[in-house]
Amino acid sequence: SQKIEQNSEALNIQEGKTATLTCNYTNYSPAYLQWYRQDPGRGPVFLLLIRENEKEKRKERLKVTFDTTLKQSLFHITASQPADSATYLCALDSYNTDKLIFGTGTRLQVFP
Amino acid sequence: DVKVTQSSRYLVKRTGEKVFLECVQDMDHENMFWYRQDPGLGLRLIYFSYDVKMKEKGDIPEGYSVSREKKERFSLILESASTNQTSMYLCASRKGQGPSNTEAFFGQGTRLTVV
Repeated sequence: SQKIEQNSEALNIQEGKTATLTCNYTNYSPAYLQWYRQDPGRGPVFLLLIRENEKEKRKERLKVTFDTTLKQSLFHITASQPADSATYLCALDSYNTDKLIFGTGTRLQVFP
Repeated sequence: DVKVTQSSRYLVKRTGEKVFLECVQDMDHENMFWYRQDPGLGLRLIYFSYDVKMKEKGDIPEGYSVSREKKERFSLILESASTNQTSMYLCASRKGQGPSNTEAFFGQGTRLTVV
Protein backbone atom coordinates (compact mmCIF):
# COMPACT_ATOMS: atom_id res chain seq x y z
CA SER A 1 0.00 0.00 0.00
CA GLN A 2 1.03 3.62 -0.47
CA LYS A 3 2.83 5.13 2.45
CA ILE A 4 4.42 8.46 3.33
CA GLU A 5 6.61 8.38 6.42
CA GLN A 6 8.04 11.19 8.45
CA ASN A 7 9.93 10.85 11.69
CA SER A 8 7.27 10.77 14.37
CA GLU A 9 9.71 11.75 17.09
CA ALA A 10 10.17 15.44 17.71
CA LEU A 11 13.37 17.02 16.50
CA ASN A 12 15.02 19.28 19.08
CA ILE A 13 17.86 21.54 17.99
CA GLN A 14 19.68 24.60 19.17
CA GLU A 15 19.09 28.02 17.66
CA GLY A 16 21.46 28.74 14.78
CA LYS A 17 21.90 25.10 13.77
CA THR A 18 20.50 23.49 10.62
CA ALA A 19 17.37 21.39 11.05
CA THR A 20 16.93 18.47 8.65
CA LEU A 21 13.60 16.68 8.33
CA THR A 22 12.98 13.53 6.29
CA CYS A 23 10.07 12.38 4.15
CA ASN A 24 10.12 8.83 2.75
CA TYR A 25 7.51 7.28 0.50
CA THR A 26 6.68 3.85 -0.90
CA ASN A 27 4.45 2.65 -3.72
CA TYR A 28 4.14 6.13 -5.15
CA SER A 29 5.04 7.74 -8.43
CA PRO A 30 4.96 11.33 -7.29
CA ALA A 31 4.84 14.17 -9.76
CA TYR A 32 5.32 16.87 -7.14
CA LEU A 33 6.27 16.99 -3.50
CA GLN A 34 5.25 19.81 -1.20
CA TRP A 35 6.23 20.89 2.30
CA TYR A 36 3.91 22.63 4.75
CA ARG A 37 4.23 24.17 8.18
CA GLN A 38 1.53 23.75 10.82
CA ASP A 39 1.28 25.65 14.08
CA PRO A 40 -0.82 24.29 16.98
CA GLY A 41 -4.56 24.71 16.43
CA ARG A 42 -4.16 26.02 12.89
CA GLY A 43 -4.30 24.65 9.35
CA PRO A 44 -1.10 23.84 7.45
CA VAL A 45 0.55 26.60 5.43
CA PHE A 46 2.42 25.92 2.19
CA LEU A 47 6.19 26.45 2.14
CA LEU A 48 7.81 24.88 -0.92
CA LEU A 49 7.08 22.65 -3.90
CA ILE A 50 9.58 20.54 -5.85
CA ARG A 51 9.00 18.65 -9.09
CA GLU A 52 10.15 15.09 -9.72
CA ASN A 53 12.79 16.25 -12.20
CA GLU A 54 14.24 18.81 -9.78
CA LYS A 55 16.96 17.78 -7.38
CA GLU A 56 16.89 20.81 -5.14
CA LYS A 57 14.82 23.93 -4.41
CA ARG A 58 15.63 26.87 -2.17
CA LYS A 59 13.67 29.69 -0.60
CA GLU A 60 15.41 32.00 1.84
CA ARG A 61 16.59 29.77 4.72
CA LEU A 62 14.71 26.72 3.41
CA LYS A 63 16.07 24.02 1.13
CA VAL A 64 14.30 20.92 -0.19
CA THR A 65 15.85 17.98 -2.00
CA PHE A 66 13.99 15.26 -3.88
CA ASP A 67 15.57 11.90 -4.71
CA THR A 68 13.17 9.70 -6.67
CA THR A 69 15.66 6.81 -6.64
CA LEU A 70 15.82 6.77 -2.84
CA LYS A 71 12.13 7.78 -2.67
CA GLN A 72 13.03 10.49 -0.22
CA SER A 73 12.84 14.23 0.32
CA LEU A 74 14.92 16.19 2.81
CA PHE A 75 13.81 19.54 4.18
CA HIS A 76 16.46 21.82 5.66
CA ILE A 77 16.10 24.99 7.70
CA THR A 78 19.42 26.79 8.05
CA ALA A 79 20.22 29.20 10.87
CA SER A 80 17.15 27.96 12.71
CA GLN A 81 15.26 30.25 15.08
CA PRO A 82 12.79 29.55 17.91
CA ALA A 83 10.09 30.98 15.61
CA ASP A 84 10.70 27.99 13.30
CA SER A 85 9.27 25.68 15.98
CA ALA A 86 6.24 23.97 14.44
CA THR A 87 5.14 20.72 12.82
CA TYR A 88 6.32 20.21 9.25
CA LEU A 89 4.41 18.01 6.82
CA CYS A 90 5.29 16.68 3.41
CA ALA A 91 2.63 15.99 0.80
CA LEU A 92 2.67 14.10 -2.48
CA ASP A 93 0.89 14.59 -5.77
CA SER A 94 0.85 11.52 -7.95
CA TYR A 95 0.37 11.07 -11.71
CA ASN A 96 -2.03 8.22 -10.96
CA THR A 97 -4.58 10.14 -8.92
CA ASP A 98 -6.00 13.57 -8.10
CA LYS A 99 -5.34 13.08 -4.42
CA LEU A 100 -3.00 15.21 -2.32
CA ILE A 101 -1.69 12.90 0.40
CA PHE A 102 0.15 14.04 3.51
CA GLY A 103 2.71 12.43 5.76
CA THR A 104 2.27 12.29 9.52
CA GLY A 105 4.46 15.32 10.15
CA THR A 106 7.53 15.95 12.30
CA ARG A 107 7.51 18.39 15.19
CA LEU A 108 10.51 20.69 15.29
CA GLN A 109 11.51 22.48 18.49
CA VAL A 110 14.26 25.11 18.29
CA PHE A 111 15.76 26.10 21.63
CA PRO A 112 17.44 29.47 22.28
CA ASP B 1 -5.37 36.50 -0.47
CA VAL B 2 -7.07 33.14 -0.81
CA LYS B 3 -9.47 32.46 1.96
CA VAL B 4 -10.83 29.09 3.01
CA THR B 5 -13.45 29.41 5.69
CA GLN B 6 -14.86 26.60 7.78
CA SER B 7 -18.23 27.22 9.36
CA SER B 8 -17.31 26.35 12.95
CA ARG B 9 -14.13 26.36 14.98
CA TYR B 10 -15.47 24.08 17.71
CA LEU B 11 -18.44 21.74 17.60
CA VAL B 12 -19.93 19.32 20.14
CA LYS B 13 -22.48 16.78 18.91
CA ARG B 14 -24.22 13.76 20.33
CA THR B 15 -23.75 10.19 19.13
CA GLY B 16 -26.15 9.42 16.29
CA GLU B 17 -26.67 13.01 15.22
CA LYS B 18 -26.28 14.04 11.60
CA VAL B 19 -23.47 16.58 11.39
CA PHE B 20 -22.69 19.06 8.63
CA LEU B 21 -19.28 20.69 8.29
CA GLU B 22 -19.20 23.50 5.76
CA CYS B 23 -16.25 24.89 3.85
CA VAL B 24 -16.20 27.88 1.51
CA GLN B 25 -13.35 29.17 -0.64
CA ASP B 26 -13.27 32.50 -2.44
CA MET B 27 -10.72 31.91 -5.22
CA ASP B 28 -12.63 29.84 -7.78
CA HIS B 29 -10.50 26.76 -7.07
CA GLU B 30 -11.39 23.51 -8.80
CA ASN B 31 -10.03 21.12 -6.16
CA MET B 32 -11.37 20.86 -2.64
CA PHE B 33 -10.42 18.38 0.07
CA TRP B 34 -11.57 17.20 3.48
CA TYR B 35 -9.02 15.77 5.91
CA ARG B 36 -9.13 14.68 9.51
CA GLN B 37 -6.13 15.04 11.78
CA ASP B 38 -5.48 12.88 14.81
CA PRO B 39 -2.37 12.71 17.03
CA GLY B 40 0.21 10.37 15.57
CA LEU B 41 -1.80 9.77 12.40
CA GLY B 42 -1.26 13.03 10.56
CA LEU B 43 -3.69 14.34 7.95
CA ARG B 44 -5.82 11.61 6.44
CA LEU B 45 -7.85 12.29 3.31
CA ILE B 46 -11.58 11.61 3.67
CA TYR B 47 -12.98 12.87 0.37
CA PHE B 48 -12.00 15.24 -2.37
CA SER B 49 -13.72 16.96 -5.26
CA TYR B 50 -12.24 18.20 -8.52
CA ASP B 51 -15.36 19.90 -9.86
CA VAL B 52 -18.96 20.71 -9.02
CA LYS B 53 -20.93 17.56 -8.25
CA MET B 54 -17.77 15.47 -8.71
CA LYS B 55 -16.29 13.65 -5.74
CA GLU B 56 -13.87 10.85 -5.04
CA LYS B 57 -13.19 8.83 -1.94
CA GLY B 58 -10.01 9.40 -0.06
CA ASP B 59 -8.33 6.92 2.24
CA ILE B 60 -10.92 6.90 5.05
CA PRO B 61 -14.39 7.64 3.60
CA GLU B 62 -16.38 5.25 5.81
CA GLY B 63 -19.02 7.03 7.87
CA TYR B 64 -18.77 10.23 5.80
CA SER B 65 -20.34 11.70 2.70
CA VAL B 66 -19.79 14.99 0.88
CA SER B 67 -21.66 17.45 -1.24
CA ARG B 68 -20.44 20.00 -3.78
CA GLU B 69 -23.39 21.75 -5.36
CA LYS B 70 -21.50 24.98 -5.98
CA LYS B 71 -17.87 25.45 -6.89
CA GLU B 72 -17.03 27.49 -3.81
CA ARG B 73 -18.64 25.22 -1.23
CA PHE B 74 -17.70 21.70 -0.12
CA SER B 75 -19.65 20.09 2.70
CA LEU B 76 -18.68 17.11 4.81
CA ILE B 77 -21.55 15.10 6.29
CA LEU B 78 -21.38 12.66 9.16
CA GLU B 79 -24.54 10.63 8.63
CA SER B 80 -24.64 9.29 12.20
CA ALA B 81 -21.89 10.70 14.37
CA SER B 82 -19.90 8.29 16.49
CA THR B 83 -17.32 8.92 19.21
CA ASN B 84 -14.50 7.66 16.98
CA GLN B 85 -15.21 10.60 14.68
CA THR B 86 -14.05 13.02 17.35
CA SER B 87 -11.19 14.78 15.60
CA MET B 88 -9.87 17.95 13.98
CA TYR B 89 -11.35 18.38 10.50
CA LEU B 90 -9.50 20.44 7.93
CA CYS B 91 -10.78 21.67 4.59
CA ALA B 92 -8.42 22.69 1.78
CA SER B 93 -8.70 24.01 -1.75
CA ARG B 94 -6.36 24.53 -4.66
CA LYS B 95 -6.38 25.59 -8.28
CA GLY B 96 -6.29 23.10 -11.11
CA GLN B 97 -7.26 19.52 -11.68
CA GLY B 98 -5.18 16.41 -11.47
CA PRO B 99 -1.54 16.34 -10.36
CA SER B 100 -0.83 19.98 -9.93
CA ASN B 101 2.04 22.28 -9.20
CA THR B 102 -0.20 24.45 -7.07
CA GLU B 103 -0.29 24.76 -3.33
CA ALA B 104 -3.24 23.88 -1.14
CA PHE B 105 -4.85 26.49 1.10
CA PHE B 106 -6.34 25.30 4.36
CA GLY B 107 -9.13 26.51 6.57
CA GLN B 108 -8.62 27.07 10.28
CA GLY B 109 -10.03 23.67 11.16
CA THR B 110 -13.09 22.44 13.05
CA ARG B 111 -12.53 20.57 16.26
CA LEU B 112 -15.45 18.17 16.52
CA THR B 113 -16.25 16.33 19.72
CA VAL B 114 -18.87 13.59 19.64
CA VAL B 115 -20.25 12.70 23.07
